[in-house]
Amino acid sequence: LAKTTQPISMDSYEGQEVNITCSHNNIATNDYITWYQQFPSQGPRFIIQGYKTKVTNEVASLFIPADRKSSTLSLPRVSLSDTAVYYCLVENSGGYQKVTFGTGTKLQVIP
Amino acid sequence: KAGVTQTPRYLIKTRGQQVTLSCSPISGHRSVSWYQQTPGQGLQFLFEYFSETQRNKGNFPGRFSGRQFSNSRSEMNVSTLELGDSALYLCATRGQREGPDTQYFGPGTRLTVL
Repeated sequence: LAKTTQPISMDSYEGQEVNITCSHNNIATNDYITWYQQFPSQGPRFIIQGYKTKVTNEVASLFIPADRKSSTLSLPRVSLSDTAVYYCLVENSGGYQKVTFGTGTKLQVIP
Repeated sequence: KAGVTQTPRYLIKTRGQQVTLSCSPISGHRSVSWYQQTPGQGLQFLFEYFSETQRNKGNFPGRFSGRQFSNSRSEMNVSTLELGDSALYLCATRGQREGPDTQYFGPGTRLTVL
């Protein structure tokens, strides 16, 4: 299982772009990178998933360099409602594995 | 499409008792995973069921068990409850999409052991 490392916490002002980087040095060839968002007392919610280069959806972008040993979640123009914990996961494409969540990054958006 | 449903949402038990939690997956999802979340340990994987068979298990004692029914609904049981079992218990179900199946989490069951 690839271990992930993220900053414990980050602060950002409303309206700014936030970039959260995750390190996964021992990622395997058939692993994907997935990011989840979790609000207090709720289950995590899928944000975005990618394998390489750049993926963008309506809420975020995911940048993955060629060596795939890290990834960066980019949240454009954050608002107070983006205050949450963000988890980076490395998941095998087979899907049949013990999923390990790291400590996550607690993002605090400041007005 | 209805989301993942977990019942009950809140539960209070005393030490030594047992508890059963239920998870109903999104229609068509056959994989159900269970997680325990505590402030100290974060999100920890308990086990995963697929087509009524446990195919992955985390590092939890045998007091934690589960099962899955033919309609993919899953139950998790904790026997001889301890204070440290107080946690948010989350279930997640997997669907089919390109790449690894994405997990869809339920709202969780908040268990308090007194």
